[in-house]
Amino acid sequence: QSALTQPASVSGSPGQSITISCTGTSSDVGSYNLVSWYQHHPGKAPKLMLYEGTKRPSGVSNRFSGSKSGNTASLTISGLQAEDEADYYCCSYAGGRGVFGGGTKLTVL
Amino acid sequence: EVQLLESGGGLVQPGGSLRLSCAASGFTFSSYAVSWVRQAPGKGLEWVSGISGSGDTTYYADSVKGRFTISRDNSKNTVYLQMNSLRAEDSAVYYCAKDSSNGVAFEFEFWGQGTLVTVSS
Repeated sequence: QSALTQPASVSGSPGQSITISCTGTSSDVGSYNLVSWYQHHPGKAPKLMLYEGTKRPSGVSNRFSGSKSGNTASLTISGLQAEDEADYYCCSYAGGRGVFGGGTKLTVL
Repeated sequence: EVQLLESGGGLVQPGGSLRLSCAASGFTFSSYAVSWVRQAPGKGLEWVSGISGSGDTTYYADSVKGRFTISRDNSKNTVYLQMNSLRAEDSAVYYCAKDSSNGVAFEFEFWGQGTLVTVSS
């Protein structure tokens, strides 16, 4: 039951765009359109940012977007803002279980 | 307003048991699946277990299968996680999370604030 693979860290300056990848296998990311992304500020509850790979819940900025190609899903944040600095996790349905990525720490320079 | 309030965490010895509760409000509880997700100190999120809205379908991560049992009481708007044979590696903040549908889709719209479980002698 391996975790999805994410880069440990990414960084960008305010106003720039960054992309976080989430690589799984044909048993999870590659087989289902059920990839979700979460923003987690330490000490707070995680927040759903995208679901079904590309859909934004009500209230989430349109600066957050998602895509998928094969076994890899991606989260793109455009127009970086200081408050985007957080940990980001992807999660995929994997046939009766859920699997998270290892998490990516986003630093806004 | 959707609210999820976890309770029941604490310090327990290896091999011991603990029952976590997640009290929900602000939505039609029986219409949504709920999962438990944990975060060990300095580690990432790990899905632990999920239960459908009706309670007739349950799922477990391999790491807890056979030791943990998830259940729900829709009359009390509460989900439980019975944790037996606890190990040091089960130490974590445990979050309960509301799914986006009746079935377990692993798309967690709302999360509680978490409850800390520490397994140590």
